[in-house]
Amino acid sequence: GENVEQHPSTLSVQEGDSAVIKCTYSDSASNYFPWYKQELGKRPQLIIDIRSNVGEKKDQRIAVTLNKTAKHFSLHITETQPEDSAVYFCAATPFGNEKLTFGTGTRLTIIP
Amino acid sequence: GAVVSQHPSRVICKSGTSVKIECRSLDFQATTMFWYRQFPKQSLMLMATSNEGSKATYEQGVEKDKFLINHASLTLSTLTVTSAHPEDSSFYICSARWDRGYGYTFGSGTRLTVV
Repeated sequence: GENVEQHPSTLSVQEGDSAVIKCTYSDSASNYFPWYKQELGKRPQLIIDIRSNVGEKKDQRIAVTLNKTAKHFSLHITETQPEDSAVYFCAATPFGNEKLTFGTGTRLTIIP
Repeated sequence: GAVVSQHPSRVICKSGTSVKIECRSLDFQATTMFWYRQFPKQSLMLMATSNEGSKATYEQGVEKDKFLINHASLTLSTLTVTSAHPEDSSFYICSARWDRGYGYTFGSGTRLTVV
């Protein structure tokens, strides 16, 4: 089955700086890669996703890049703000399988 | 759109009792529902996948007789934790695949505490 690794497990950045979280996946059949933000005790919220037919996607301060050859994808948050502090999870799923396999999570702390 | 309502949000039960958690898709048909368990400071671990009208598929290591899943309709799936023990205390979240394309929507989660 799919295995998703995520790094780093914790990340602290100064407000206004950029944050990058990286994930690797094992199943070359995976073709959908969402990123979720989860605040304590709350449900995961989709913040951005990418499908394997594109290499990059951007939504305001958030971007995701995908390297299918290397089987890794990354989340980029620019101009970080205190409200960006949360746990971020990457995930992957092969088309038709539907099961989402999650990474281990990154606790992002924005230092004011 | 694509809202999943999950209840209860918190439940405390005595060891040995059973607890039922419900997830309802409010504005779409959830043909497939996924049930996850999340321990503190850990990732979401898939427990089982349920399809409307058929038996759930459990992940390796998940006891199907302990975690009963019913998906009797396109809008309702339930997870019953039977004979709960303190080690079952966790955050349980359901998720449904949208029926209108890519994307998954999550319930708000249930914090189960077994005392």
